[in-house]
Amino acid sequence: EIVLTQSPGTLSLSPGDRATLSCRASQTVSSTDLAWYQQKPGQAPRLLIYGSSSRATGIPDRISGSGSGTDFTLTISRLEPEDFAVYYCQQYGGFPTHSFGQGTKLEIK
Amino acid sequence: EVELVESGGGLVQPGGSLRLSCVASGFTFSSYTMNWVRQAPGKGLEWVSNISSTSSAIHYADSVKGRFTISRDNAKKSVYFQMNSLRADDTAVYYCAKCGGGWCQFFDYWGQGSLVTVSS
Repeated sequence: EIVLTQSPGTLSLSPGDRATLSCRASQTVSSTDLAWYQQKPGQAPRLLIYGSSSRATGIPDRISGSGSGTDFTLTISRLEPEDFAVYYCQQYGGFPTHSFGQGTKLEIK
Repeated sequence: EVELVESGGGLVQPGGSLRLSCVASGFTFSSYTMNWVRQAPGKGLEWVSNISSTSSAIHYADSVKGRFTISRDNAKKSVYFQMNSLRADDTAVYYCAKCGGGWCQFFDYWGQGSLVTVSS
C-alpha cells in the first residue's frame, strides 16, 4: 500500500503570499494518478487538481500542481482569503485502491 | 449541475445498523462508478467502498469488509451503503463521491456528507 505524507502539517501565511504544499509517496506514483483537494470547515472536499497538474473545472490558474515519481507539490501563487483551508493529496493505486495524505492546514498568519 | 445528496445518517448503538442513501442528478449516473469516502471527526479522509456502473465490480476497504454492503439502483440514480455491526470507530461523516477519470483515478464531485455517530 502506498502511503502519502504531506508537509508541513500546518502552514501559516498571509494573503498575497505564495503557498507551497508537499505530498511525498512511499513508492512511485504515476503522474496521472495524483490529485489534490481543498476542504473548508463543515464542507465536503472539492477537487482542485487531477493528473498531478490538470486543474478541475472552475479552479483559478493561481492554483497549480506539479511533480512526479514520489514528490508532488501544490502551489498557490497569491493567497486569497478563500484559500485558507485544509488540503489533501490523494493517489490511485490501481483499482480499487485510493489513499489520501493526512492533510495540510493552511491558516492565516 | 452535478449534485449528490446523502441521507440516512444518525445516532446508532454499537452493534447496530444504518443505511445511507445518495441520490444523484446532473450527470448520466448509470455510466459512472460511485464511491463512499468517510471522515472521522477532526481526522482525514478514508476511501471505504465503490461500485461499478453496472454493479459488476464492488470493492471495500479492509476496515469495513464483511460488515458494510454497497449497492445501487440506476433507475433511481441512487447508491446505498448498508452498515451493519457498527463500531465506535465507524463514527464519521460519510461522503458519496463520483469517480472521475477513465479509471476512477480521482473523485470529481462529492455530496455534502451524512454524519454517522456510533455510541451507547
